[in-house]
Amino acid sequence: AQSVTQLGSHVSVSEGALVLLRCNYSSSVPPYLFWYVQYPNQGLQLLLKYTSAATLVKGINGFEAEFKKSETSFHLTKPSAHMSDAAEYFCAVSEGSSGDKLTFGTGTRLAVRP
Amino acid sequence: NAGVMQNPRHLVRRRGQEARLRCSPMKGHSHVYWYRQLPEEGLKFMVYLQKENIIDESGMPKERFSAEFPKEGPSILRIQQVVRGDSAAYFCASSQDKTTAYGYTFGSGTRLTVV
Repeated sequence: AQSVTQLGSHVSVSEGALVLLRCNYSSSVPPYLFWYVQYPNQGLQLLLKYTSAATLVKGINGFEAEFKKSETSFHLTKPSAHMSDAAEYFCAVSEGSSGDKLTFGTGTRLAVRP
Repeated sequence: NAGVMQNPRHLVRRRGQEARLRCSPMKGHSHVYWYRQLPEEGLKFMVYLQKENIIDESGMPKERFSAEFPKEGPSILRIQQVVRGDSAAYFCASSQDKTTAYGYTFGSGTRLTVV
Protein backbone atom coordinates (compact mmCIF):
# COMPACT_ATOMS: atom_id res chain seq x y z
CA ALA A 1 0.00 0.00 0.00
CA GLN A 2 1.13 3.51 -0.64
CA SER A 3 0.18 6.86 0.80
CA VAL A 4 1.03 10.53 0.57
CA THR A 5 1.04 13.16 3.28
CA GLN A 6 1.11 16.83 2.45
CA LEU A 7 1.89 18.93 5.50
CA GLY A 8 0.02 22.18 5.52
CA SER A 9 -3.29 22.44 3.71
CA HIS A 10 -2.74 26.19 3.24
CA VAL A 11 0.53 28.00 2.64
CA SER A 12 0.86 31.74 2.17
CA VAL A 13 3.98 33.48 0.89
CA SER A 14 4.86 36.95 -0.29
CA GLU A 15 5.55 37.59 -3.94
CA GLY A 16 9.24 36.97 -4.55
CA ALA A 17 9.65 34.71 -1.53
CA LEU A 18 10.67 31.07 -1.53
CA VAL A 19 7.92 28.53 -2.03
CA LEU A 20 8.24 25.24 -0.14
CA LEU A 21 5.45 22.68 -0.27
CA ARG A 22 6.03 19.49 1.67
CA CYS A 23 5.28 15.94 0.61
CA ASN A 24 6.11 12.69 2.35
CA TYR A 25 5.23 9.31 0.94
CA SER A 26 5.19 5.69 1.88
CA SER A 27 5.56 2.91 -0.61
CA SER A 28 6.48 -0.75 -0.39
CA VAL A 29 8.32 -0.58 -3.72
CA PRO A 30 10.50 2.07 -5.32
CA PRO A 31 8.04 4.80 -6.15
CA TYR A 32 7.34 7.18 -8.94
CA LEU A 33 6.43 10.61 -7.58
CA PHE A 34 4.56 13.49 -9.12
CA TRP A 35 3.50 17.05 -8.44
CA TYR A 36 0.38 18.42 -10.09
CA VAL A 37 -1.09 21.91 -10.02
CA GLN A 38 -4.79 22.70 -10.20
CA TYR A 39 -6.12 26.15 -10.95
CA PRO A 40 -9.72 26.93 -9.95
CA ASN A 41 -12.30 24.92 -11.88
CA GLN A 42 -9.66 23.31 -14.04
CA GLY A 43 -8.03 19.92 -14.36
CA LEU A 44 -4.65 18.90 -13.07
CA GLN A 45 -1.50 19.88 -14.87
CA LEU A 46 1.69 17.91 -14.40
CA LEU A 47 4.45 20.07 -12.91
CA LEU A 48 7.18 17.46 -12.66
CA LYS A 49 7.83 13.80 -12.00
CA TYR A 50 10.46 11.54 -10.51
CA THR A 51 10.85 8.12 -12.14
CA SER A 52 14.11 6.83 -10.65
CA ALA A 53 16.53 8.92 -12.68
CA ALA A 54 18.04 12.12 -11.27
CA THR A 55 16.91 12.84 -7.72
CA LEU A 56 16.62 16.58 -8.37
CA VAL A 57 13.82 17.08 -10.83
CA LYS A 58 13.11 20.33 -12.64
CA GLY A 59 9.61 21.08 -13.84
CA ILE A 60 7.65 23.79 -15.52
CA ASN A 61 7.19 27.35 -14.29
CA GLY A 62 10.47 27.32 -12.33
CA PHE A 63 9.46 24.58 -9.89
CA GLU A 64 11.72 21.76 -8.81
CA ALA A 65 11.61 18.89 -6.34
CA GLU A 66 14.17 16.63 -4.75
CA PHE A 67 13.63 12.95 -4.06
CA LYS A 68 15.14 12.00 -0.70
CA LYS A 69 14.80 8.31 -0.08
CA SER A 70 16.18 8.44 3.47
CA GLU A 71 13.52 11.00 4.42
CA THR A 72 10.78 9.54 2.16
CA SER A 73 10.19 13.08 0.96
CA PHE A 74 9.60 14.84 -2.32
CA HIS A 75 9.20 18.51 -1.41
CA LEU A 76 8.36 21.08 -4.07
CA THR A 77 10.25 24.38 -4.19
CA LYS A 78 10.45 27.54 -6.24
CA PRO A 79 12.97 30.28 -5.45
CA SER A 80 10.69 33.24 -6.10
CA ALA A 81 6.90 33.15 -5.99
CA HIS A 82 4.77 34.87 -8.61
CA MET A 83 1.17 35.88 -8.19
CA SER A 84 0.29 33.42 -10.95
CA ASP A 85 1.54 30.54 -8.77
CA ALA A 86 -1.54 30.80 -6.55
CA ALA A 87 -3.28 27.47 -6.98
CA GLU A 88 -3.70 24.08 -5.34
CA TYR A 89 -0.82 21.64 -5.50
CA PHE A 90 -1.09 17.89 -5.24
CA CYS A 91 1.65 15.38 -4.60
CA ALA A 92 1.04 11.84 -5.88
CA VAL A 93 2.79 8.47 -5.80
CA SER A 94 2.56 5.32 -7.86
CA GLU A 95 4.16 1.94 -7.46
CA GLY A 96 7.05 2.55 -9.79
CA SER A 97 7.17 0.80 -13.11
CA SER A 98 4.40 -1.62 -12.17
CA GLY A 99 2.04 1.07 -10.97
CA ASP A 100 -0.96 1.92 -13.01
CA LYS A 101 -2.73 4.34 -10.69
CA LEU A 102 -1.84 7.36 -8.62
CA THR A 103 -2.43 7.91 -4.93
CA PHE A 104 -2.85 11.59 -4.19
CA GLY A 105 -2.27 13.71 -1.14
CA THR A 106 -5.02 16.01 0.08
CA GLY A 107 -3.44 19.05 -1.52
CA THR A 108 -1.87 22.33 -0.44
CA ARG A 109 -3.47 25.60 -1.40
CA LEU A 110 -0.83 28.22 -2.11
CA ALA A 111 -1.67 31.89 -1.69
CA VAL A 112 0.74 34.58 -2.89
CA ARG A 113 0.56 38.00 -1.22
CA PRO A 114 1.50 41.10 -3.19
CA ASN B 1 -3.58 17.88 -30.83
CA ALA B 2 -6.53 18.12 -28.49
CA GLY B 3 -6.04 17.09 -24.89
CA VAL B 4 -8.34 14.90 -22.83
CA MET B 5 -11.88 16.08 -23.46
CA GLN B 6 -14.57 15.70 -20.85
CA ASN B 7 -18.19 16.66 -21.15
CA PRO B 8 -20.26 18.08 -19.82
CA ARG B 9 -18.19 20.49 -17.71
CA HIS B 10 -21.06 20.94 -15.27
CA LEU B 11 -23.93 18.56 -14.65
CA VAL B 12 -26.86 19.03 -12.31
CA ARG B 13 -29.03 16.06 -11.46
CA ARG B 14 -31.87 15.54 -9.04
CA ARG B 15 -31.63 12.73 -6.53
CA GLY B 16 -32.57 9.45 -8.16
CA GLN B 17 -31.65 10.46 -11.71
CA GLU B 18 -28.81 9.03 -13.77
CA ALA B 19 -25.59 10.85 -14.55
CA ARG B 20 -23.46 10.07 -17.61
CA LEU B 21 -19.99 11.53 -17.81
CA ARG B 22 -17.97 11.29 -21.01
CA CYS B 23 -14.25 11.24 -21.60
CA SER B 24 -12.38 11.24 -24.90
CA PRO B 25 -8.69 10.42 -24.36
CA MET B 26 -5.83 12.12 -26.12
CA LYS B 27 -5.11 10.90 -29.61
CA GLY B 28 -2.97 7.79 -29.43
CA HIS B 29 -3.85 7.06 -25.81
CA SER B 30 -5.61 3.78 -25.15
CA HIS B 31 -5.55 3.81 -21.35
CA VAL B 32 -8.21 5.74 -19.44
CA TYR B 33 -8.52 6.39 -15.72
CA TRP B 34 -11.33 7.96 -13.73
CA TYR B 35 -10.74 9.82 -10.47
CA ARG B 36 -13.17 11.53 -8.12
CA GLN B 37 -12.42 14.66 -6.12
CA LEU B 38 -14.69 15.35 -3.19
CA PRO B 39 -14.77 18.89 -1.78
CA GLU B 40 -11.57 19.78 0.08
CA GLU B 41 -10.00 16.41 -0.69
CA GLY B 42 -7.46 15.00 -3.09
CA LEU B 43 -8.30 12.83 -6.04
CA LYS B 44 -9.27 9.23 -5.41
CA PHE B 45 -8.80 6.53 -8.01
CA MET B 46 -11.98 4.89 -9.26
CA VAL B 47 -11.32 2.75 -12.32
CA TYR B 48 -8.77 1.99 -15.01
CA LEU B 49 -9.88 0.89 -18.48
CA GLN B 50 -8.43 -0.05 -21.80
CA LYS B 51 -10.49 -0.41 -24.94
CA GLU B 52 -13.38 -2.80 -24.18
CA ASN B 53 -11.77 -3.92 -20.91
CA ILE B 54 -11.96 -2.93 -17.29
CA ILE B 55 -8.49 -3.48 -15.88
CA ASP B 56 -8.86 -2.27 -12.31
CA GLU B 57 -12.08 -1.15 -10.66
CA SER B 58 -10.88 -1.38 -7.09
CA GLY B 59 -11.89 2.22 -6.38
CA MET B 60 -15.42 2.02 -7.72
CA PRO B 61 -18.33 1.98 -5.28
CA LYS B 62 -19.96 -1.45 -5.41
CA GLU B 63 -23.39 -0.17 -6.36
CA ARG B 64 -24.78 2.37 -8.82
CA PHE B 65 -21.44 3.13 -10.51
CA SER B 66 -20.23 1.61 -13.77
CA ALA B 67 -17.70 2.48 -16.43
CA GLU B 68 -17.01 1.45 -19.98
CA PHE B 69 -14.58 2.23 -22.75
CA PRO B 70 -16.01 0.85 -25.99
CA LYS B 71 -14.09 0.07 -29.12
CA GLU B 72 -15.49 3.21 -30.69
CA GLY B 73 -16.34 6.39 -28.88
CA PRO B 74 -15.57 7.92 -25.53
CA SER B 75 -15.27 6.32 -22.14
CA ILE B 76 -18.43 6.67 -20.07
CA LEU B 77 -18.77 6.83 -16.30
CA ARG B 78 -22.36 6.14 -15.35
CA ILE B 79 -23.91 6.81 -11.97
CA GLN B 80 -27.40 5.49 -11.45
CA GLN B 81 -29.86 6.85 -8.90
CA VAL B 82 -27.57 9.65 -7.81
CA VAL B 83 -27.48 10.80 -4.20
CA ARG B 84 -26.22 14.03 -2.63
CA GLY B 85 -22.96 12.33 -1.67
CA ASP B 86 -22.13 11.80 -5.34
CA SER B 87 -21.64 15.55 -5.76
CA ALA B 88 -17.99 15.91 -6.71
CA ALA B 89 -15.62 16.67 -9.53
CA TYR B 90 -14.92 13.66 -11.72
CA PHE B 91 -11.69 13.69 -13.65
CA CYS B 92 -10.61 11.51 -16.50
CA ALA B 93 -6.99 10.96 -17.42
CA SER B 94 -5.36 9.12 -20.27
CA SER B 95 -1.94 7.73 -21.02
CA GLN B 96 -0.22 5.98 -23.88
CA ASP B 97 0.99 3.14 -21.74
CA LYS B 98 0.05 1.21 -18.64
CA THR B 99 2.87 2.66 -16.61
CA THR B 100 2.49 5.99 -14.87
CA ALA B 101 6.02 6.91 -15.93
CA TYR B 102 4.78 9.45 -18.42
CA GLY B 103 2.41 11.03 -15.98
CA TYR B 104 -1.20 11.19 -16.95
CA THR B 105 -2.87 13.90 -18.95
CA PHE B 106 -5.99 15.01 -17.12
CA GLY B 107 -9.14 16.49 -18.53
CA SER B 108 -10.79 19.56 -17.06
CA GLY B 109 -13.31 17.46 -15.21
CA THR B 110 -17.07 17.21 -14.86
CA ARG B 111 -18.52 18.86 -11.81
CA LEU B 112 -21.58 16.95 -10.74
CA THR B 113 -24.07 18.59 -8.44
CA VAL B 114 -26.93 16.53 -7.05
CA VAL B 115 -29.86 18.57 -5.80
